[in-house]
Amino acid sequence: DIVMTQTPLSSPVTLGQPASLSCRSSQSLVHSDGNTYLSWLQQRPGQPPRLLFYKISNRFSGVPDRFSVSGAGTDFTLRISRVEAEDVGVYYCMQGTQFPWTFGQGTKVEIK
Amino acid sequence: EVHLVESGGGLVQPGGSLRLSCTVSGFIFRDYWMTWVRQAPGKGLELMANISPDGSDKYYVDSAKGRFTISRDNAKNSLFLQMNSLRVEDTAVYYCVRHGPYRFERWGQGTLVTVSS
Repeated sequence: DIVMTQTPLSSPVTLGQPASLSCRSSQSLVHSDGNTYLSWLQQRPGQPPRLLFYKISNRFSGVPDRFSVSGAGTDFTLRISRVEAEDVGVYYCMQGTQFPWTFGQGTKVEIK
Repeated sequence: EVHLVESGGGLVQPGGSLRLSCTVSGFIFRDYWMTWVRQAPGKGLELMANISPDGSDKYYVDSAKGRFTISRDNAKNSLFLQMNSLRVEDTAVYYCVRHGPYRFERWGQGTLVTVSS
């Protein structure tokens, strides 16, 4: 199985300041069809997860543009340009390139 | 609007059984792969089983093989997870999830399963 490793595990951020979350896979996420099936999900406290991005940087419906993603191969980064109170929660990366699809352990974003 | 609503969770003793259900609306259920994902208290996300649109293909993670059975009824827009021989470590919130291409696109609110004596 592909192992997804996220850092840091916790990210205390001041409101209005940026945040950067990293995700690394144990092997390349480039699929045989040439696409990279890396997703990011957000889980607010007490809520189910919600898809933010897919195929690295494709924004899902309703995701604010203060969120952005970059990366390729095995290394990926989710950035929040200016953290707002509603961004508090746990962020998971997930690979859909190889079965079984696997998740990172999550990065908790909290307000300082 | 897409909705996925899980039910059937509860308290069960070790070795017992539960059947989870997920009823969906707002999309053409028979067109989509579906998955059960669980989350133990305070822990991360774990794919448990998924099923093809017509129900002919199923996949289970190792911890679910031989104990859990995923199924669906496309006429009733419903997904199921039959869980037998439950263990304390199966305690978790179980989410019903609709696939998009190579991604988990829509999530239900989850149903809590507690395995305890």
